[in-house]
Amino acid sequence: AQKITQTQPGMFVQEKEAVTLDCTYDTSDPSYGLFWYKQPSSGEMIFLIYQGSYDQQNATEGRYSLNFQKARKSANLVISASQLGDSAMYFCAMVIKAAGNKLTFGGGTRVLVKP
Amino acid sequence: NAGVTQTPKFQVLKTGQSMTLQCAQDMNHEYMSWYRQDPGMGLRLIHYSVGAGITDQGEVPNGYNVSRSTTEDFPLRLLSAAPSQTSVYFCASSRVEGAEDTQYFGPGTRLTVL
Repeated sequence: AQKITQTQPGMFVQEKEAVTLDCTYDTSDPSYGLFWYKQPSSGEMIFLIYQGSYDQQNATEGRYSLNFQKARKSANLVISASQLGDSAMYFCAMVIKAAGNKLTFGGGTRVLVKP
Repeated sequence: NAGVTQTPKFQVLKTGQSMTLQCAQDMNHEYMSWYRQDPGMGLRLIHYSVGAGITDQGEVPNGYNVSRSTTEDFPLRLLSAAPSQTSVYFCASSRVEGAEDTQYFGPGTRLTVL
């Protein structure tokens, strides 16, 4: 069965600095997708970025980039130029294509941006 | 654009009561699912559906029933609520084909069982 691990329960980052959130995954399936979601204090789940296992380049979406290292089974999220509004919980998640659209989530990392 | 809607936003139940959490989407998505989020944890899959009339169990299905009579609606039923079901419940939808699709989440229902 697939598993997602986020080893950083919480972290502080200074406003305008970059922050890297760690995510490692475990699956034997060759075809999968990795997601990052943001959950602010208001509770909604906001999609940030997606990386497919066969994508040749690392995904980027504005200030978000995904550092995908397939051999190491890691999919770290990098947030550049942190803003106060980036304070939230961040979840890494995975789908296995052969198993449909079922998401498996990690435990999350809480980020607090300091002014 | 409505997207994925959930009702109610908040609910308090007594142990043994039943209720239905409503979920609807207007994007004509075949795939719909229910997750629960316990404090300080990630989401866990309860049940999912790949189309009208088709449902299946996820990681934590015990105590919950679902049905899918239309493409738009995917209600989650608690037949006899227990304190262990106190959680935040999220409904999500997406197209079926491929893992490239992001899943669109509803705003969540915060359920407390006393």
